[in-house]
Amino acid sequence: SQKIEQNSEALNIQEGKTATLTCNYTNYSPAYLQWYRQDPGRGPVFLLLIRENEKEKRKERLKVTFDTTLKQSLFHITASQPADSATYLCAPGFQKLVFGTGTRLLVSP
Amino acid sequence: GAGVSQSPRYKVAKRGQDVALRCDPISGHVSLFWYQQALGQGPEFLTYFQNEAQLDKSGLPSDRFFAERPEGSVSTLKIQRTQQEDSAVYLCASSLAISGTASGNTIYFGEGSWLTVV
Repeated sequence: SQKIEQNSEALNIQEGKTATLTCNYTNYSPAYLQWYRQDPGRGPVFLLLIRENEKEKRKERLKVTFDTTLKQSLFHITASQPADSATYLCAPGFQKLVFGTGTRLLVSP
Repeated sequence: GAGVSQSPRYKVAKRGQDVALRCDPISGHVSLFWYQQALGQGPEFLTYFQNEAQLDKSGLPSDRFFAERPEGSVSTLKIQRTQQEDSAVYLCASSLAISGTASGNTIYFGEGSWLTVV
């Protein structure tokens, strides 16, 4: 069955540093991969979608890579801010999404 | 509306009770999804509609779960004879895209309906 792995341990970083979150998937080959942000008590919010023929995609301080050989996506937040503290979910796929458990990011001032 | 609206926001049900959760998608959105999210987990797919047609219900955990979207807009997720393991957040999402298109249309989630079965 499809399996998505994200680091279940929280990532603690200092404000201004770059946060890097990892998403590994097995047992399928998605044509798309999406990243979402989820704050406590709220629904997920779409951040970025990357296609299998794109190696990298950027949006403001966010950068996503998609390595279909390694079956891995990396999600980077540069110049991190305390407001970036949230859980980040990886979801390979386009419409019927299969989500990872998410990684909680904590950015300290 | 401006976003996906779900009601009730919070629901406490006694075990064995039936519940109905409502989703108002963004106006004009063709695709509608229901997800279930347990505490500390990512959302898990339940079912998918394209307009009024339920194209995929492979994620519904049992025949106690039923979803409908009779006029292709508002959707209701019904859980019969609730059990404690049904306690979770039920998320509704909508998208303008039709399944199979290659465009990267955004999926918008509602805030969820928090169900606690006691």
